Amino acid sequence: EAGVVQSPRYKIIEKKQPVAFWCNPISGHNTLYWYLQNLGQGPELLIRYENEEAVDDSQLPKDRFSAERLKGVDSTLKIQPAELGDSAVYLCASSLGRQGSYEQYFGPGTRLTVT
Amino acid sequence: QKEVEQNSGPLSVPEGAIASLNCTYSDRVSQSFFWYRQYSGKSPELIMSIYSNGDKEDGRFTAQLNKASQYVSLLIRDSQPSDSATYLCAVDNAGNMLTFGGGTRLMVKP
Repeated sequence: EAGVVQSPRYKIIEKKQPVAFWCNPISGHNTLYWYLQNLGQGPELLIRYENEEAVDDSQLPKDRFSAERLKGVDSTLKIQPAELGDSAVYLCASSLGRQGSYEQYFGPGTRLTVT
Repeated sequence: QKEVEQNSGPLSVPEGAIASLNCTYSDRVSQSFFWYRQYSGKSPELIMSIYSNGDKEDGRFTAQLNKASQYVSLLIRDSQPSDSATYLCAVDNAGNMLTFGGGTRLMVKP
């Protein structure tokens, strides 16, 4: 069974530029999460989707971050404009959610560097 | 603020010893508890989940949960150098939402 797929794996951009990350969850997983992980810290939830509905986006900085999950499968997280403090690893995870287990499985992440 | 606390370490143990990793959490209504292993430069990998008080064993790993004390631990028996990683404790507070601790770095010395 294929795991969570993310792209790109690495991204270097200048501040004020836009950037987008893509995630494809494990097949059949209805719940999708975007996390941010800073060095030496645990992941922090940005947004959670149940199918195509964003059910928790309270930690998403809405002035510059946006996300979508069209058709309830793939998801895209966007930052516009990026700031130096956005440099981090952006992780996507998925789970069966209410249909089964709440165990979350992570993709490889996208390491963003803003210069 | 729902918190999950872990000692950042590093915890250093000799090869073959038992490594004991601890985690405390603040939200009494927490129902599900998870341990993730994260190698340097890699993403977290789920290694154990536990939902009820007591012990749960899976190979060399044992998770222990005490909801009254709001305490969850992970024991790694016969530690190997390949177990050297950061171990993240995660707590599900509200159904399908994880709060992570900062992680404990484990070093297993040959």
